[in-house]
Amino acid sequence: QKEVEQNSGPLSVPEGAIASLNCTYSDRGSQSFFWYRQYSGKSPELIMFIYSNGDKEDGRFTAQLNKASQYVSLLIRDSQPSDSATYLCAVTGSGTYKYIFGTGTRLKVLA
Amino acid sequence: DAGITQSPRHKVTETGTPVTLRCHQTENHRYMYWYRQDPGHGLRLIHYSYGVKDTDKGEVSDGYSVSRSKTEDFLLTLESATSSQTSVYFCAISESMAGGGTEAFFGQGTRLTVV
Repeated sequence: QKEVEQNSGPLSVPEGAIASLNCTYSDRGSQSFFWYRQYSGKSPELIMFIYSNGDKEDGRFTAQLNKASQYVSLLIRDSQPSDSATYLCAVTGSGTYKYIFGTGTRLKVLA
Repeated sequence: DAGITQSPRHKVTETGTPVTLRCHQTENHRYMYWYRQDPGHGLRLIHYSYGVKDTDKGEVSDGYSVSRSKTEDFLLTLESATSSQTSVYFCAISESMAGGGTEAFFGQGTRLTVV
């Protein structure tokens, strides 16, 4: 079992819709959770991080964390074609600064 | 943008030759990382550093070594390059914060082809 799992997609949503991206992790001691966006041929860039159970909102983005279920998600409201990219989930464990990444979900927003 | 520079940006090398990739940061961050990214595998950690001369292995460290003699520089060496090491290599940096947790910032990447 991979430490961080994501559905590879592609996830296709129409413009203006809500895109929902999901990530599960295996280490119950994981403490910090990150979502990165990566455009083709570019480096990953941070969208959001979350440390506590519940929701965290930043503009059109909402991260949701459920430690009991070992699940973290990213919602993108009012999806735009410019949101089309690969979204990477990353996790750091207890007492470590190693970032473990999932394989990413490719999102396609259709105009 | 975080001050991270990777060099070279592109390299083609022959099987069996040693190769060194450089990561230079101007942020004075404590932690530095080397990842490789391959289709279907995502980002995989090769080695990381938690201070000058302090390094540790990641999940795919075989065939790679690293050195960090200064806070700002983290070198990745492929001791004898193989075709399986053809990949895009990313350097990342991070810094601990009060309360725990910190995000990692990535360099532009180095595309390495071993022929």
